[in-house]
Amino acid sequence: AQKITQTQPGMFVQEKEAVTLDCTYDTSDQSYGLFWYKQPSSGEMIFLIYQGSYDEQNATEGRYSLNFQKARKSANLVISASQLGDSAMYFCAMRDPGADTGNQFYFGTGTSLTVIP
Amino acid sequence: EPEVTQTPSHQVTQMGQEVILRCVPISNHLYFYWYRQILGQKVEFLVSFYNNEISEKSEIFDDQFSVERPDGSNFTLKIRSTKLEDSAMYFCASMRVRSHEQYFGPGTRLTVT
Repeated sequence: AQKITQTQPGMFVQEKEAVTLDCTYDTSDQSYGLFWYKQPSSGEMIFLIYQGSYDEQNATEGRYSLNFQKARKSANLVISASQLGDSAMYFCAMRDPGADTGNQFYFGTGTSLTVIP
Repeated sequence: EPEVTQTPSHQVTQMGQEVILRCVPISNHLYFYWYRQILGQKVEFLVSFYNNEISEKSEIFDDQFSVERPDGSNFTLKIRSTKLEDSAMYFCASMRVRSHEQYFGPGTRLTVT
């Protein structure tokens, strides 16, 4: 089973609009961490936001917020007021402290976001 | 702003050869990571390193791979006998203590022919 599922291979959003990128995860652990990364066409990986499984409030970082729904095991990224520079690949990831494997990091397949002027 | 650097940016090698990918993490960071990304696919975790030893490794990180911190600044990934399927972008990342933010390097593109 996939640890991280991103069901939207590609998304389009109008400049200045908000967009939600979906992410669901699979773990049996109680303590885990969820991340979002941005990968522009230049290839580098840029950390955006982190949510701990015990954090009661949704994480926010500037225009990024993480809609954390623990019971549904979802960790959607919301980008408000989209900018042209937001066009990139977005990866959801999880740090999962498996009993046998220790902390492992799992990434989803990514969502390609295109911001339309 | 401090950044993670990686050398070389692109490495071409023949199947069966050994390669060493180099990374210089941010100086006050103590956690180090290697990831790989096969072209057009998702990022895969390889290994994490802390306090001069491997803390976690994935199933991908078999005996063909090793990591080392040979001095106070470099962090290397060695692939002993490269295979065609090792062709990928290899990312190094580092993180300071009590943080969740990993800083990634620009990557080394490894091409095995």
